[in-house]
Amino acid sequence: NAGVTQTPKFQVLKTGQSMTLQCAQDMNHEYMSWYRQDPGMGLRLIHYSVGAGITDQGEVPNGYNVSRSTTEDFPLRLLSAAPSQTSVYFCASSRLAGVIEQFFGPGTRLTVL
Amino acid sequence: EDQVTQSPEALRLQEGESSSLNCSYTVSGLRGLFWYRQDPGKGPEFLFTLYSAGEEKEKERLKATLTKKESFLHITAPKPEDSATYLCAGGSYNTDKLIFGTGTRLQVFP
Repeated sequence: NAGVTQTPKFQVLKTGQSMTLQCAQDMNHEYMSWYRQDPGMGLRLIHYSVGAGITDQGEVPNGYNVSRSTTEDFPLRLLSAAPSQTSVYFCASSRLAGVIEQFFGPGTRLTVL
Repeated sequence: EDQVTQSPEALRLQEGESSSLNCSYTVSGLRGLFWYRQDPGKGPEFLFTLYSAGEEKEKERLKATLTKKESFLHITAPKPEDSATYLCAGGSYNTDKLIFGTGTRLQVFP
């Protein structure tokens, strides 16, 4: 099993550009989520999904969209990138929704100029 | 407001010098306390889940313990390969989400 995979690993955008961060898992996990990690702050939840076709907002959802058309994939879309979205983004999955251990991908480092 | 605080922010140890990392939490309806290890440029790697006060879990040189207000990650006779950032997170029955601390960056020197 590859676990949780993310692409790209690095990305540089200009303010106002849009892009999609890809996330896939091959563990048949129901729950998937996106976090951002900034210096001096803990991981913060952006959006999450408890199953295909179901998504919800986390702590910091503004400026991001998600969809979940399959169990395996959970892409994160930046609609109009802003410098405040410069961060490292992690996708995570777990077998079920709720408070259980989550498995994280390797991350995408995004810089918005 | 649910909160998780880790201390110290950074810790430098000599190889073999045992120590403890602290995770204080105020999480209403704590359902689980999680420890993760994160290497530079990598995603967090799950280590332990603790569910109730008094519970302990061990893995190699690491032992995690839980009280009603805090959790400790004890590192016994650490080696340089234990160098990493250690994250803790509290999960609440109320929100079904994890609240992460900012981590302790551990460096172990030979």
